[in-house]
Amino acid sequence: EAGVTQFPSHSVIEKGQTVTLRCDPISGHDNLYWYRRVMGKEIKFLLHFVKESKQDESGMPNNRFLAERTGGTYSTLKVQPAELEDSGVYFCASSQDLAGGRGETQYFGPGTRLLVL
Amino acid sequence: AQSVTQLGSHVSVSEGALVLLRCNYSSSVPPYLFWYVQYPNQGLQLLLKYTSAATLVKGINGFEAEFKKSETSFHLTKPSAHMSDAAEYFCAVRVGVGNQFYFGTGTSLTVIP
Repeated sequence: EAGVTQFPSHSVIEKGQTVTLRCDPISGHDNLYWYRRVMGKEIKFLLHFVKESKQDESGMPNNRFLAERTGGTYSTLKVQPAELEDSGVYFCASSQDLAGGRGETQYFGPGTRLLVL
Repeated sequence: AQSVTQLGSHVSVSEGALVLLRCNYSSSVPPYLFWYVQYPNQGLQLLLKYTSAATLVKGINGFEAEFKKSETSFHLTKPSAHMSDAAEYFCAVRVGVGNQFYFGTGTSLTVIP
């Protein structure tokens, strides 16, 4: 079974440009999460999809960030325009369902390393 | 409010020595607690989790952690470190169904031959 995949693995862009990150969750997983880790800091939650619907987007920093999940499959996270403070590692995670309650395991991708110059 | 504190951003141990990675949490409700490990160029992998059953939780690769409510701790241990244990370790707390994880800042473990 393929794990969570993310593309690209690295991205270097200039301030003001646009970047789109992609996440392919494990097949059949309804839940998809985005997280971000700024260097030296903790991994922070950005948002949570259940299928194609945004369940919780309380962690999105501002309106320069736009996440979509077309058809409840893969997800994209667009940053437009990018700022220096957006640099970090963006992780995607997925889980099958919430029947396991709070003990549900989230499966993480390797992350996309974004550097904004 | 929920938070996780991992003491020591870098820990070094000799091969064969005890591994102890510290995690303290703050939670307004009984927490579920997780340890994840990230090997270079890989995603985070679940090591173990505490879900209000046994307080001593055994995970993969010989790791275990003990939930101590009185100390609000969930420290990760392994009796004998292997070179392959070198990685970054993250402690996380979760307080609600479908809710987010709150992660600590991570601890990078180095194993010295």
